[in-house]
Amino acid sequence: DTAVSQTPKYLVTQMGNDKSIKCEQNLGHDTMYWYKQDSKKFLKIMFSYNNKELIINETVPNRFSPKSPDKAHLNLHINSLELGDSAVYFCASSQNFGRGYGYTFGSGTRLTVV
Amino acid sequence: KQEVTQIPAALSVPEGENLVLNCSFTDSAIYNLQWFRQDPGKGLTSLLLIQSSQREQTSGRLNASLDKSSGRSTLYIAASQPGDSATYLCAVNYGGSQGNLIFGKGTKLSVKP
Repeated sequence: DTAVSQTPKYLVTQMGNDKSIKCEQNLGHDTMYWYKQDSKKFLKIMFSYNNKELIINETVPNRFSPKSPDKAHLNLHINSLELGDSAVYFCASSQNFGRGYGYTFGSGTRLTVV
Repeated sequence: KQEVTQIPAALSVPEGENLVLNCSFTDSAIYNLQWFRQDPGKGLTSLLLIQSSQREQTSGRLNASLDKSSGRSTLYIAASQPGDSATYLCAVNYGGSQGNLIFGKGTKLSVKP
């Protein structure tokens, strides 16, 4: 009965590869997000997405692209991986912009690029 | 610029102490503020959510307060236990496009037996 689930939990890959991280929420929320937690543990928004609009943080390289097959899923595709992409990536969801019940986060995907 | 600051960055206390974690934020026009806990190598667990119209929220030994006018929130932990050791994150929802949580850098708490 996990609310926001991400797979895989760990991902080790070589520079230059393309990889995807999957996220699913069963809360019926209307918006999903991807956050990046860097080596200093600081969390920053990468994308927010609902069935109407994709908002991209302008600092995110265009090698990163979110893809949503339906409102319960938001996958993150990363092309041409670089060493600096190593981080923990968190998926989250909310309803009505998080006004009522706040945000719910997944358990994270630790990406290591070697 | 909307920013969230948490002080102290790290805190070590003996078991049983009451403690306060601080969070300050620029721009008082917030929707709500959420406190999270993160254990090493784990995800974020929501502890308390305070709406902009509320002054405080309580859950068990945790009490969070909100003073929008001064841009401050505190998380009070009563009778701390070693199991409370974790990083505590304050996040402010400023609304905007799709809503967007702005996080502080966290306070790493260590409760020693």
